[in-house]
This record gives sequence, structure tokens and C-alpha cells, in this order.
Amino acid sequence: KAGVTQTPRYLIKTRGQQVTLSCSPISGHRSVSWYQQTPGQGLQFLFEYFSETQRNKGNFPGRFSGRQFSNSRSEMNVSTLELGDSALYLCASSLASGDTDTQYFGPGTRLTVL
Amino acid sequence: DQQVKQNSPSLSVQEGRISILNCDYTNSMFDYFLWYKKYPAEGPTFLISISSIKDKNEDGRFTVFLNKSAKHLSLHIVPSQPGDSAVYFCAASGSNQFYFGTGTSLTVIP
Repeated sequence: KAGVTQTPRYLIKTRGQQVTLSCSPISGHRSVSWYQQTPGQGLQFLFEYFSETQRNKGNFPGRFSGRQFSNSRSEMNVSTLELGDSALYLCASSLASGDTDTQYFGPGTRLTVL
Repeated sequence: DQQVKQNSPSLSVQEGRISILNCDYTNSMFDYFLWYKKYPAEGPTFLISISSIKDKNEDGRFTVFLNKSAKHLSLHIVPSQPGDSAVYFCAASGSNQFYFGTGTSLTVIP
């Protein structure tokens, strides 16, 4: 069974631009969660989507948004990029919402904002 | 506001010895705790978890201890092996929220 895939793996943007990251979950998984990893803050939960609906949301500004499609693939969008948005963005998929111990992570997208 | 804290950014132990990784949390509403392991260029992988109704959970060489009164959990790895060298994240969930710690980089020296 193929794992969680994220595209692109690396991305360089400039301040003020917007970016869209993509996550394809493991086949059959309907929940996709997004996380931001930075050296100082560790892994921080952004939001979770299940059956095309946002189920949970972390403490991030409205510039961070996401959506989920009917095939469970998810996209995350960050608008008006700031230098502090430079991070590794990880997505994780699981069968059901809230399955924190059975979620599988993708390799991440490394975003650099210049 | 860091609700889950791992105060040791790094830890080095000799192969065969015990590794103890610590994690503190602030929110008493957390009722489920997890440890993840992360290798470079890979996403975290689930290692072991514990519910707040228990104070210990063991899986092979890995044991997680939970002290609810101190809001503290720890991961014991014994015996430590070089392949255990990775970054370890603790995580806590409750009230539909999920928080990770900042991670501890473990190096097991052969």
C-alpha cells in the first residue's frame, strides 16, 4: 500500500506570495491532518479534514486554510506569506477522524520564504 | 503558548544503556499521550501511546510512564540501539486538540 505523498517536496517563495501544498492520503484513509514543524515550536497542529469537512483547527491565523476533495486528497493554502512561515509542513492521514495513534505521516514539504 | 514541552533538545546514550526522554504538559484536559519517532527526511511514525487511565504502557523495548499529578510523561528505551537514533516527539490530545512537543534528538553511541 502506498504511503502518504506530499507535493512538492521543496518550495521557495517570497514574502507576500501565496502557496498551495498538496497531500494524498493512504488509499482508504478519509482523515487528513496538517502540521507545521519549526525548530523553535516543534510540530504544531494546523487543521484536520474528514469527509471534505474541517473537523478541528489549531491556533493559526486565517492566512492558513485548507480543503479536502471527494477522493480525500487535501490541499493547504497559505496566503500573504511571511518569513516566519518557513517550515516543514507535514500531513498525516488516518482512517477516521481523531485516530492520532494510527495516523501516518508524509515526508513533508519544506517551504522557504525569502 | 507551548502546552507540551520537551526541555531536553538532545540526549546521548551508550548502546545497551537506558534512554529516558521526558515530556511535560500543562493542560489537565489532555487524556491521551503519544510518542513519535522521526528520522531525517521522513515524517514522524507512531511509537507508543498511553491513556490517562493508565500510568504505564510497555511495548517491547519501549515503555511510557505517565504521572498525571505532575503532568509528566517519559519514554524509556532499554536497551538502546544505534537504530534508535532519531528525533522523538511526545504529543498530547484532548478536547479535540492535538499538541506536539518540540522534540528531543536521541543519539545512541555504538
